Amino acid sequence: EIVLTQSPGTLSLSPGERATLSCRASQSVSSSYLAWYQQKPGQAPRLLIYGSSSRATGIPDRFSGSGSGTDFTLTVSRLEPEDFAVYYCQQCGTSPYTFGQGTKLEIK
Amino acid sequence: EVQLVESGGGLVQPGRSLRLSCAASGFTFDDYAMHWVRQAPGKGLEWVSGIGRSGSVLGYADSVKGRFTISRDNAKNSVYLQMNSLRAEDTALYHCTKGFASFDFWGRGTLVTVSS
Repeated sequence: EIVLTQSPGTLSLSPGERATLSCRASQSVSSSYLAWYQQKPGQAPRLLIYGSSSRATGIPDRFSGSGSGTDFTLTVSRLEPEDFAVYYCQQCGTSPYTFGQGTKLEIK
Repeated sequence: EVQLVESGGGLVQPGRSLRLSCAASGFTFDDYAMHWVRQAPGKGLEWVSGIGRSGSVLGYADSVKGRFTISRDNAKNSVYLQMNSLRAEDTALYHCTKGFASFDFWGRGTLVTVSS
């Protein structure tokens, strides 16, 4: 099983700042199968990034993804109030498909 | 409009069984792999199982292997999760979701509580 480790566990920032979230895999993941999701309290997760760097439909361009192999990054260039949520990375390249444990992005 | 509506959750005693259903609409169902993802209260996301477009099983999480079975009926635009030998640790909100390399739409979920 591929283990995804996200860091930091919690990130405290202010609106307007830049957020950088990390996802490290225990073995190599094809970039085609690395995705990022946003989840707000009481809501289902929402797909943000697929294929490690492609934005899903309707996702603002302040969200970007990068990385390859075992190290992937989600960047939010300029935080808006609605961006404070929990973020998960996921790999769908090797079964069982796995999620990271999540990074909580909170308002400082 | 894409919709995924889960049903079948509830309170069940340890060791008993439950069958979850997910009704899909608003897209060509048999063009997509389908999955179940669960979230225990206050915890993160856990992929449970997935099934390919024609019914080939993509796999199971180790935590449910041998106890849960995924299936789909393309004629009814539905996917199912048969859960046997339920344990307290299976208590979670179970989401139905679609996609292959990523999951682009999620249902709101059905709550399963395993308790005596």
